[in-house]
Parts: sequence; structure tokens; C-alpha cells
Amino acid sequence: GAVVSQHPSRVICKSGTSVKIECRSLDFQATTMFWYRQFPKQSLMLMATSNEGSKATYEQGVEKDKFLINHASLTLSTLTVTSAHPEDSSFYICSAPGGRVTEAFFGQGTRLTVV
Amino acid sequence: DAKTTQPPSMDCAEGRAANLPCNHSTISGNEYVYWYRQIHSQGPQYIIHGLKNNETNEMASLIITEDRKSSTLILPHATLRDTAVYYCTGRSGGSNYKLTFGKGTLLTVNP
Repeated sequence: GAVVSQHPSRVICKSGTSVKIECRSLDFQATTMFWYRQFPKQSLMLMATSNEGSKATYEQGVEKDKFLINHASLTLSTLTVTSAHPEDSSFYICSAPGGRVTEAFFGQGTRLTVV
Repeated sequence: DAKTTQPPSMDCAEGRAANLPCNHSTISGNEYVYWYRQIHSQGPQYIIHGLKNNETNEMASLIITEDRKSSTLILPHATLRDTAVYYCTGRSGGSNYKLTFGKGTLLTVNP
């Protein structure tokens, strides 16, 4: 099946710094990708829709200036957490529609810890 | 997107069938029912989906009621590796594959 790869799988950063997370579709092209955030023992919360060649669409309550999304090619979307704070520590997951019409595939997730 | 309701947790003995229910009474006529699962600290894994008819694949079976207000995911012979949080969700066939997730059911398969 289609593969979506995230990098890094884990990252620890200091407060105030920025962290970039990459999401790649390895064997298919994705004009749209989705970014989710998951806090411990909670469900996945959709943050934004990444659109290749245009601006991302953010869900209500998600700060677009803090969570910068770039979808520069048909196989790569990046999420940059700017000026990270400890409350941004979370599990970030991306997904992309696969080759078949009805499936979405998820990356393995990135565990971000801000200290 | 349909609002879904699932029990927060369930237990199942290894080798037995696990039947996970989901209520999606607000599902619209063109929304598919999807099931995903998430093993701890991993991304969600697609299991199965359906619109009206029951479906079966190598992982599971999906039973959708005639009124489409609920469905049941069946793992016919649960193993310890099936321990995970199981999510059901709805998605319109015409949408851009955006999925929203409820709280899911934590299935624990016991030896």
C-alpha cells in the first residue's frame, strides 16, 4: 500500500526555537495532506489542510503564524512549529490520500518535546 | 462529517472475535464509514470502509445497519497485536479525504 513517511520521529527542542517536521508521500503524489496533533490519551485533532501550490487551510483555533505549513511539491509537506513552548509538546501526525479513491494513509508520527 | 459515538474501552480474549460498535446516527447519505486503528505512539492504520453493504477484507469485517446509523467492526480472531485504539469516522465521497476522529475505543486483547 501507499506509504507516508514523517521525519523526524522524535525531536526535543528548547523553548523559543522552531522545529520543522517533514511529511513525504513515498510512492504517490499528494496535492493535499493533513496535519493532526494528538495529546496524551486524547484523539487526533485536525490542525490544517496542506495544499500543494497554495496556502494551507487551518482549523478553527489553530494559529497559522505559529504552525507554518508549506507544501512545495507533490510529495512533500512541512509543518514548522515556531517559537515552541512546552505546551506545544505533542504527537504530530500527517496523512495523505492514497492512490485509491477512498483511503487516507498516515505517517508514523513525530513526538515533539519542548523543554 | 458524521458525529460518532463509541464505547471508551473493551476487552477481548485472544483468539475470540472482537466486535466493536459505533453509532453514527448523523451520517449523511453519501458518507462512507471508515475504521482506523492506532497502536500506541504510531500513526493510524486503515482497516476497512463501507457505504451501505457489509464489507470484508483480510483484516476485518464491517457490518453496517440498514439505516446506516450504526456499524460494527469485527476482528474474527483477535490477537495480542490487535490491542489498539479503534476509531470509526465518516467521510463524504466527494470530499478531499479529510478525516475527523472521535475518542475511539481502546480494545485490549488479553491472553
